[in-house]
Amino acid sequence: DVKVTQSSRYLVKRTGEKVFLECVQDMDHENMFWYRQDPGLGLRLIYFSYDVKMKEKGDIPEGYSVSREKKERFSLILESASTNQTSMYLCASRSDRELNEKLFFGSGTQLSVL
Amino acid sequence: DAKTTQPNSMESNEEEPVHLPCNHSTISGTDYIHWYRQLPSQGPEYVIHGLTSNVNNRMASLAIAEDRKSSTLILHRATLRDAAVYYCILRETLRWRSQGNLIFGKGTKLSVKP
Repeated sequence: DVKVTQSSRYLVKRTGEKVFLECVQDMDHENMFWYRQDPGLGLRLIYFSYDVKMKEKGDIPEGYSVSREKKERFSLILESASTNQTSMYLCASRSDRELNEKLFFGSGTQLSVL
Repeated sequence: DAKTTQPNSMESNEEEPVHLPCNHSTISGTDYIHWYRQLPSQGPEYVIHGLTSNVNNRMASLAIAEDRKSSTLILHRATLRDAAVYYCILRETLRWRSQGNLIFGKGTKLSVKP
């Protein structure tokens, strides 16, 4: 089975800190995604990457950046965390061989910014 | 992406079939119908997807109306572990890997009573 692993289940940070959220997948998938999920707003796409060193903005990229130096790893970076970035962050991956098929999600990181 | 409409919540009894409806009257001919579910404190997981014909897998069945303006996810025998939020999503056929993502709405929260 595909495994998408997010480095932390819960994270508490202070306003202004630089925050790194890490995601690793073990199925050689080309495409990786970062979403955030907030009550009443559903899942919203922050960034995605379809290849190493490639990235594209999603619907809400402001305040975030990403890094994809290796195929299996996709990092989300909050340059200067703010309280409105308190949220559940979900990483996902998908194979190029199955463009119309499934996304595989990690279990999520609940980030609290104080 | 075309819009879907789902009931906010549904209840079911354990070991009974569950029919989760989804309306998508503006679906286009190339839109796939995807279903995902999200268990409490987990990331979404793929359930099933289809284009025109009904589909079955080990988790569920997908019944697609002849005019494709609606579909129904069928859980043949609900268990307590099926309590989750179920998302119905339309996704146009992807031709280029840099195309974006699945857009998750608010879904249907399914409760299963023992």
